[in-house]
Amino acid sequence: GAVVSQHPSWVICKSGTSVKIECRSLDFQATTMFWYRQFPKQSLMLMATSNEGSKATYEQGVEKDKFLINHASLTLSTLTVTSAHPEDSSFYICSARAGSVNSPLHFGNGTRLTVT
Amino acid sequence: QQQVKQSPQSLIVQKGGISIINCAYENTAFDYFPWYQQFPGKGPALLIAIRPDVSEKKEGRFTISFNKSAKQFSLHIMDSQPGDSATYFCAAVNTGNQFYFGTGTSLTVIP
Repeated sequence: GAVVSQHPSWVICKSGTSVKIECRSLDFQATTMFWYRQFPKQSLMLMATSNEGSKATYEQGVEKDKFLINHASLTLSTLTVTSAHPEDSSFYICSARAGSVNSPLHFGNGTRLTVT
Repeated sequence: QQQVKQSPQSLIVQKGGISIINCAYENTAFDYFPWYQQFPGKGPALLIAIRPDVSEKKEGRFTISFNKSAKQFSLHIMDSQPGDSATYFCAAVNTGNQFYFGTGTSLTVIP
C-alpha cells in the first residue's frame, strides 16, 4: 500500500531556532502533499497544501513566513518552522494522495515538536 | 464553520460490544466519505471509506452506514476489542478533492 514517511518522529528545540520536518512518499509520486497541525485531543487542522514545483497554498491564519514549505520533488516535501516559539509546540502531520481525484489520503506518522 | 459534525466526542464500550460513531454534513458537493483511525503519537490511518451511491459498506468488523437524504453517515465496529481503542475521525471530500475532518471520537474498549 501507499506509504508516507515522516522524519523526525519527535524533536526538541530551543526558542528562536528553526526545525525542518521531512515528508516522503516512499512508493508513489505525489504532486500534492498536505501539512496538518494537531493539538492534543483535537482534530487535524490543515495548514497548507504543498505543490511540487510551485509555491504552497496556505490556509487562512497560517503564517507563510513562519512555516516554510518546499516541495522540490515528486516524493519529498519539507516543512520548516522558523524562529520557533513554545506556542509552536504541536504534532505536525503530513499526508499525500496516491493517485488523482478521490484517492484516499495517506498520512505520515507525525512529528512531535517541543520548543523549550 | 465545522463542515462535518462528529459525535460522540468520547465513547466507552465493553469488549464484544458495538461501537457507533456518527457524522453529519451539510454540503451536498461531498462525494467521498473516509474514516480514519489514529493511535496516540501516530498519524491517522485509513480504515474504511464509502461513496454516496451505496448505503452500506462492510469490511470485517467495520461497517459504514450512509444515509444520503439525511446527510449522515456512521461507523459501526462490531465485536469491539481493546485493540480498537483509538481516536476515530470521519471525513468528507468534495468534488474539488478537499478533505474536511470531523472533530474526532476517542474510543475506549474495556476488557
